[in-house]
Amino acid sequence: TQLLEQSPQFLSIQEGENLTVYCNSSSVFSSLQWYRQEPGEGPVLLVTVVTGGEVKKLKRLTFQFGDARKDSSLHITAAQTGDTGLYLCAGVIRDYKLSFGAGTTVTVRA
Amino acid sequence: KAGVTQTPRYLIKTRGQQVTLSCSPISGHRSVSWYQQTPGQGLQFLFEYFSETQRNKGNFPGRFSGRQFSNSRSEMNVSTLELGDSALYLCASSLYPGQSPGELFFGEGSRLTVL
Repeated sequence: TQLLEQSPQFLSIQEGENLTVYCNSSSVFSSLQWYRQEPGEGPVLLVTVVTGGEVKKLKRLTFQFGDARKDSSLHITAAQTGDTGLYLCAGVIRDYKLSFGAGTTVTVRA
Repeated sequence: KAGVTQTPRYLIKTRGQQVTLSCSPISGHRSVSWYQQTPGQGLQFLFEYFSETQRNKGNFPGRFSGRQFSNSRSEMNVSTLELGDSALYLCASSLYPGQSPGELFFGEGSRLTVL
């Protein structure tokens, strides 16, 4: 059983469309991170959120941490083909051990 | 600066064999973590090392072991390989463990196929 549930598992959209990826848990996290992994590469950190209700923007990407610090979302505006990849959320509960979700595979078609 | 280096990148083994994977962290990073990545399961935590000591361990059988050397390089070993061990093994380094929220820097992984 995954501590962090990500949805949807797969997402395929046309370039220029918007998309949202969700990360949910029944546990409270002290912090939550989002990583993106491209084929043949390791995951790369996009953002870390630590405060309930926090919203962070990274160009066309908007990250939100739920008020209760149990969930998070990643919204991409006007997706580009370069946004294609596996998006992983990861949360810290205790012992600073990072737990990862199974990921959402995003494909942006030209 | 150079990133995290993992070797080998690809390897094929047969059931019952053993394998050793190597990870060189970013210079100055003293913490190394290992993850197993399989489709649909995401990244499963194997173990974390700091200053040659295992600090945390995931829920994997004893066939999975690791160690860290004084130069922070790390190795993981899987003995008596099973088909289900086929996966991408990722190594990540960070400055210190327990740095919350710390950033993990991942290598490109070692893809193990067990036949």
